[in-house]
Amino acid sequence: GQNIDQPTEMTATEGAIVQINCTYQTSGFNGLFWYQQHAGEAPTFLSYNVLDGLEEKGRFSSFLSRSKGYSYLLLKELQMKDSASYLCAVHTGGFKTIFGAGTRLFVKA
Amino acid sequence: DTEVTQTPKHLVMGMTNKKSLKCEQHMGHRAMYWYKQKAKKPPELMFVYSYEKLSINESVPSRFSPECPNSSLLNLHLHALQPEDSALYLCASSDPSLAKNIQYFGAGTRLSVL
Repeated sequence: GQNIDQPTEMTATEGAIVQINCTYQTSGFNGLFWYQQHAGEAPTFLSYNVLDGLEEKGRFSSFLSRSKGYSYLLLKELQMKDSASYLCAVHTGGFKTIFGAGTRLFVKA
Repeated sequence: DTEVTQTPKHLVMGMTNKKSLKCEQHMGHRAMYWYKQKAKKPPELMFVYSYEKLSINESVPSRFSPECPNSSLLNLHLHALQPEDSALYLCASSDPSLAKNIQYFGAGTRLSVL
């Protein structure tokens, strides 16, 4: 079966650091994506990991451990505009990408 | 430019209506997708076109009919929909020549079926 688990909601304070975890069990693995989705809008691509380790891009970093079926997205220096849902997604092969249900992040002042 | 344009942004239709959703991209991507997303749920794949040919149909009811007239355009024709079909319909595109398969999404069409 295909399963991607991530927390439903998280709350953090402006200026802080937050880590959003994702665990996955999929029939194939060609890479893991993180997308940001504001309410009622399209998902926008944030990061891609295919090898184990940390990928850093500005305030956002993403980590992958393939042996553990685990990833996290790290957001630093949180801003109010970071309030959104964060979707963990696994490219299982070909044209198929399985999305998690998303983690709704609330950033408070 | 990583823009995928979807029209209309909002659509209200009755169960007997026929309508179409449109999607356009000019990134030269030869794979295009339709997803359905309900509130607080992940996007669910409906159809994939690769090089203008239907590659994947995820057992979608025939009241949804996709069409890919050319490499830049993707349509979704709707007919005799049910209220449970109300959702956000997302179009995406990707470059099938790349292993990464990063998908770029449009802003979606929010569909309400009355």
